[in-house]
Amino acid sequence: QQQVKQSPQSLIVQKGGISIINCAYENTAFDYFPWYQQFPGKGPALLIAIRPDVSEKKEGRFTISFNKSAKQFSLHIMDSQPGDSATYFCAASKNTGNQFYFGTGTSLTVIP
Amino acid sequence: DAGITQSPRHKVTETGTPVTLRCHQTENHRYMYWYRQDPGHGLRLIHYSYGVKDTDKGEVSDGYSVSRSKTEDFLLTLESATSSQTSVYFCAISGSLAEQFFGPGTRLTVL
Repeated sequence: QQQVKQSPQSLIVQKGGISIINCAYENTAFDYFPWYQQFPGKGPALLIAIRPDVSEKKEGRFTISFNKSAKQFSLHIMDSQPGDSATYFCAASKNTGNQFYFGTGTSLTVIP
Repeated sequence: DAGITQSPRHKVTETGTPVTLRCHQTENHRYMYWYRQDPGHGLRLIHYSYGVKDTDKGEVSDGYSVSRSKTEDFLLTLESATSSQTSVYFCAISGSLAEQFFGPGTRLTVL
């Protein structure tokens, strides 16, 4: 059973547009929610992460929005650029545990 | 990149043969993980280690074993490889229960 559900599977956005990727979880014990970015042939790299004590975290053009009551969180990429074209994974973990649960990934293509 | 290397980077083997993948870190991090990545499934945890000789199973551990005799090395063994184990394998390390750093991956093909 998928612990973290991610959508959409793929996304095509025009340069300068906003990319939005959504994730949902069921386990209320999760308290750390990272987003990873992966380029072809490379390992995933941490992009941005949030804990449930805040509803939003912004780093440059990347923002995580977190809705604790709905058990959902999303990644917004503002002013999307062709260099943002990659696969994005959301994940969740418990602070007291060692297991990370990843979403199935979103392939983002930004068209020039 | 964090100091993580994986070897080999590519391997083709036949069904029924044993295979060992190696993850080596230079960061002295306590936690090490093995994941497999498959289309439509994302990253799934196979096994992880929270110290030398301390390991535990992840969500897809059947058919895999691990060993960690030194802080810097974490080995993943497929005792008898099957075609369903064709995948890209990633090692990750973490110094805490938060951020994980991933290695470059090993592409394994089982014929």
